[in-house]
Amino acid sequence: AQKVTQAQTEISVVEKEDVTLDCVYETRDTTYYLFWYKQPPSGELVFLIRRNSFDEQNEISGRYSWNFQKSTSSFNFTITASQVVDSAVYFCALSEAYKAAGNKLTFGGGTRVLVKP
Amino acid sequence: DTEVTQTPKHLVMGMTNKKSLKCEQHMGHRAMYWYKQKAKKPPELMFVYSYEKLSINESVPSRFSPECPNSSLLNLHLHALQPEDSALYLCASSQVGRETQYFGPGTRLLVL
Repeated sequence: AQKVTQAQTEISVVEKEDVTLDCVYETRDTTYYLFWYKQPPSGELVFLIRRNSFDEQNEISGRYSWNFQKSTSSFNFTITASQVVDSAVYFCALSEAYKAAGNKLTFGGGTRVLVKP
Repeated sequence: DTEVTQTPKHLVMGMTNKKSLKCEQHMGHRAMYWYKQKAKKPPELMFVYSYEKLSINESVPSRFSPECPNSSLLNLHLHALQPEDSALYLCASSQVGRETQYFGPGTRLLVL
């Protein structure tokens, strides 16, 4: 069975500070995908990034960066120079790969990020 | 365009009512999903449609009845709901066999 754990339930920072969100996952699949989604108070889940299990290259996209470590089953996410608009709940999620029946997303419990001005 | 739309945004219904939630996407995705999200919890998968056929049902009670009339539309028919069914209902879509799911804004349901 797949499992995603986000140990941090809430993080509070002052604007312009960096925020790192931790995610640890469990899966028996050899090929899988990891995601970060953002859920602002409005409720919509916004897709942020996706990482394939076979590609451990870490990247930066704007103010977002991620650190995928297959050896420790971790997929951490960093927001650089946080802004008030970054205040939201962030979910880490895990998906099987290439399922014709549709892909089940397993979510972590979420981390609430509060960015204060 | 990565937009998934859902109507209504808010819904209040009694336990004897029948109502429907609607979801629409025009991204050419052939997999569509319904999730239920309770307050301060992550979304939980309810149903998956692949090529307009129900492919996954996560043991959801029969008072929830999904329908996929065509490749762009997904409905969730509600009947005889309980107050504990009050939640945010999220629709998502993806290409079949492709993993990124795009979510709609959700319908906030309150059952009285």
